Amino acid sequence: QVQLKESGPGLVQPSETLSLTCTVSGFSLTSYGVNWVRQPPGKGLEWMGTIWNDGSTDYNSALKSRLSISRDTSKSQVFLKMNSLQTEDTAIYLCARDMAEGIDYWGQGVMVTVSS
Amino acid sequence: DIQMTQSPSFLSASVGDRVTINCKASQNINRYLNWYQQKLGEAPKLLISNANSLQTGIPSRFSGSGSGTDFTLTISSLQPEDVATYFCLQHNSWNTFGAGTKLELK
Repeated sequence: QVQLKESGPGLVQPSETLSLTCTVSGFSLTSYGVNWVRQPPGKGLEWMGTIWNDGSTDYNSALKSRLSISRDTSKSQVFLKMNSLQTEDTAIYLCARDMAEGIDYWGQGVMVTVSS
Repeated sequence: DIQMTQSPSFLSASVGDRVTINCKASQNINRYLNWYQQKLGEAPKLLISNANSLQTGIPSRFSGSGSGTDFTLTISSLQPEDVATYFCLQHNSWNTFGAGTKLELK
């Protein structure tokens, strides 16, 4: 069955770089896109970006200067890197499969706290 | 950027009630609107895609309607297991989410 699982550090220092991994199973990254989405505490969901099945990427314009999404198809992994983290980047970070009609499957998310 | 306004933010209803949740887009998104259910501690689940397409395995008491800028998720007869947060997603232009509706039993 389709599964996505996020992993990464729970705590990041301000001004540092966040690196997260989304490991997928049950589908191929060359057939489906993967989104990164985040949810700050008490706030709504924010789309961060997508890596499409052909490897191209799209980013939220508000995050584009700090964000990079890449993948390793042989390992079924998608990577998020975001630099210059601030406290307002504290959030649950989720990866989710894109079926070209929006998102269908989601991971459970990983909590990332930005604090010194 | 397209903004999504979801209402209400919080909803309390009784078992058997008809429940409606709304999402309004800041511009025309055709029918590119999905609805999700998220229970505490679980990953979100896709209920309805493209405004009114019920996903496989989702009970028929869930339905979606609307096009253009105004969309509705309806639960025809609320069940205890429907307690969750519901949110919409527009995928006409990038992705934008509604703020969510927390549904509880009265």
